Amino acid sequence: NAGVMQNPRHLVRRRGQEARLRCSPMKGHSHVYWYRQLPEEGLKFMVYLQKENIIDESGMPKERFSAEFPKEGPSILRIQQVVRGDSAAYFCASSRRTAVYEQYFGPGTRLTVT
Amino acid sequence: AQTVTQSQPEMSVQEAETVTLSCTYDTSESDYYLFWYKQPPSRQMILVIRQEAYKQQNATENRFSVNFQKAAKSFSLKISDSQLGDAAMYFCAYRSPEGADGLTFGKGTHLIIQP
Repeated sequence: NAGVMQNPRHLVRRRGQEARLRCSPMKGHSHVYWYRQLPEEGLKFMVYLQKENIIDESGMPKERFSAEFPKEGPSILRIQQVVRGDSAAYFCASSRRTAVYEQYFGPGTRLTVT
Repeated sequence: AQTVTQSQPEMSVQEAETVTLSCTYDTSESDYYLFWYKQPPSRQMILVIRQEAYKQQNATENRFSVNFQKAAKSFSLKISDSQLGDAAMYFCAYRSPEGADGLTFGKGTHLIIQP
């Protein structure tokens, strides 16, 4: 039973480019969460999605960031026109509909903006 | 909004000894979930233990146990018989049972195991 998968594991982008981070939840999980971890910090909640639906995006920056979880395929976190401050580790977690409190994390994507 | 505080940036313990990591939280809710996650150098977040606030009994998972003091809003993690593989960052986290948001994490405690 594969765990939560994220790709790429490492992503380097120049300032102004777009970054796309992908997350495939565990089998049987229909809820996806995205978190950001800055150096020396804990994880900060960004967005909570179900298939084709954003449940809560209260942690998402208002501009340049968007997320989706289509009916088919992985969840995507998109960052447009990246800046150096976007450099961080981005983690995805998934949970079952009946146990949303129990989240399983992927290995993370480390984004470096040069 | 809930907050989670881990007041120990770093802790050190001798191999085979016992260590306790502290966590306090602030909430107005009566029902919620608390977690300890481990993040080794690989950066993978691993769930160590979970506690439901409505349960009075402290959760235990092998060498890991918690001391949950609901009135004091305290949730400490005890690691017994520390092993070299326990070296990692440990994060305390909070979640509302009905909330639409995610986990609220503390800033973490870096645990060093001395051989």
